[in-house]
Amino acid sequence: AQKVTQAQTEISVVEKEDVTLDCVYETRDTTYYLFWYKQPPSGELVFLIRRNSFDEQNEISGRYSWNFQKSTSSFNFTITASQVVDSAVYFCALSTISGGYNKLIFGAGTRLAVHP
Amino acid sequence: NAGVTQTPKFRVLKTGQSMTLLCAQDMNHEYMYWYRQDPGMGLRLIHYSVGEGTTAKGEVPDGYNVSRLKKQNFLLGLESAAPSQTSVYFCASSYGTASQETQYFGPGTRLLVL
Repeated sequence: AQKVTQAQTEISVVEKEDVTLDCVYETRDTTYYLFWYKQPPSGELVFLIRRNSFDEQNEISGRYSWNFQKSTSSFNFTITASQVVDSAVYFCALSTISGGYNKLIFGAGTRLAVHP
Repeated sequence: NAGVTQTPKFRVLKTGQSMTLLCAQDMNHEYMYWYRQDPGMGLRLIHYSVGEGTTAKGEVPDGYNVSRLKKQNFLLGLESAAPSQTSVYFCASSYGTASQETQYFGPGTRLLVL
């Protein structure tokens, strides 16, 4: 079965704290891709990052960093020095080819609230 | 760049009414998708299209129909709305169907069925 689990339903932090959002996935495919999307209060879904199953190098983009570990099937997302503008729901997603199309399987999301 | 746009942004329907949601993309993407988002469930795929004139069922297709008459447009129809279809609907598009292709999402349509 293919599945994405985001065990943290809600996280609340104070501005400038570091916060890590967990993502655990399940798949039998050897080739797959992992994504993170951000959904701010305005409601749109914003693409943040894509990672393929063969590249376990960590990635950093400004205050955002991602840690991909195949051994634990995890693709965690860390925000350093969080800001109020980071408040959003964050979705982790797994992409595989299933039934002839690009199947994107979403986790349930983690709601992050950053307080001043 | 408009990217993916959706109309309307918000709609209230009575049970049994019909409506059509419109999705448009200006990125010349071949593939388009319709998802629904419900609390605590992430996004689930309703229908998708791999090209103009073709559509296929996703994970939760019942109660919906779709059409892709033009490459840039993907329509989602509700023939007889039910309260269970109260949700936020997202359209997405991607260049191809390989698993590395990023899906880009529209702003969403909030639908309330009374």
